[in-house]
Amino acid sequence: GAGVSQSPSNKVTEKGKDVELRCDPISGHTALYWYRQSLGQGLEFLIYFQGNSAPDKSGLPSDRFSAERTGGSVSTLTIQRTQQEDSAVYLCASSQAGGDNEQFFGPGTRLTVL
Amino acid sequence: AQKITQTQPGMFVQEKEAVTLDCTYDTSDPSYGLFWYKQPSSGEMIFLIYQGSYDQQNATEGRYSLNFQKARKSANLVISASQLGDSAMYFCAMREGQGGRRALTFGSGTRLQVQP
Repeated sequence: GAGVSQSPSNKVTEKGKDVELRCDPISGHTALYWYRQSLGQGLEFLIYFQGNSAPDKSGLPSDRFSAERTGGSVSTLTIQRTQQEDSAVYLCASSQAGGDNEQFFGPGTRLTVL
Repeated sequence: AQKITQTQPGMFVQEKEAVTLDCTYDTSDPSYGLFWYKQPSSGEMIFLIYQGSYDQQNATEGRYSLNFQKARKSANLVISASQLGDSAMYFCAMREGQGGRRALTFGSGTRLQVQP
């Protein structure tokens, strides 16, 4: 079946512009995660959605970052007034609810802020 | 303190030999899970193996096995019979707790290069 998809695959923007990154999780997966991977680094947790519960936003680096998940499926990560340090690969993952289920990752969106 | 520590930034191994990638973790939660992911140059994150804190036996998945030493808080990945396609970044990750946030905390990774 279809895996996690993300769009766009690449995004180049100018400093100060807003960007939206999209994630389509695997159908039936109620948990959705956003991570950020800076060049040569490990993944950094940003935000987590589980069903209808309030999202865990504890990893968001600043109030310029926000995310929503509509209808328990598609999620959008928005970065306002982008800065050069926001340049990274943004990865989305989804998993089934509960237990110790593996997270399936999307291919990521490479964001470059000029 | 780092939650997940991978002390080997890079490793080399000869094709067909075994290699161990180190991972130590830090948590006070009795319930946790440990994961290994592979990230080839193409960038996708590929799940390899999982070990639960209450699992009695070391996890194995094909050529991958996890050497889980709970008292030492280590969860090393062993790849047997290395192949050229194993060349990639390898990340160790941990999920803490039964409920609440279930996001993973990742280590900084180890770059493995398999030489012919």
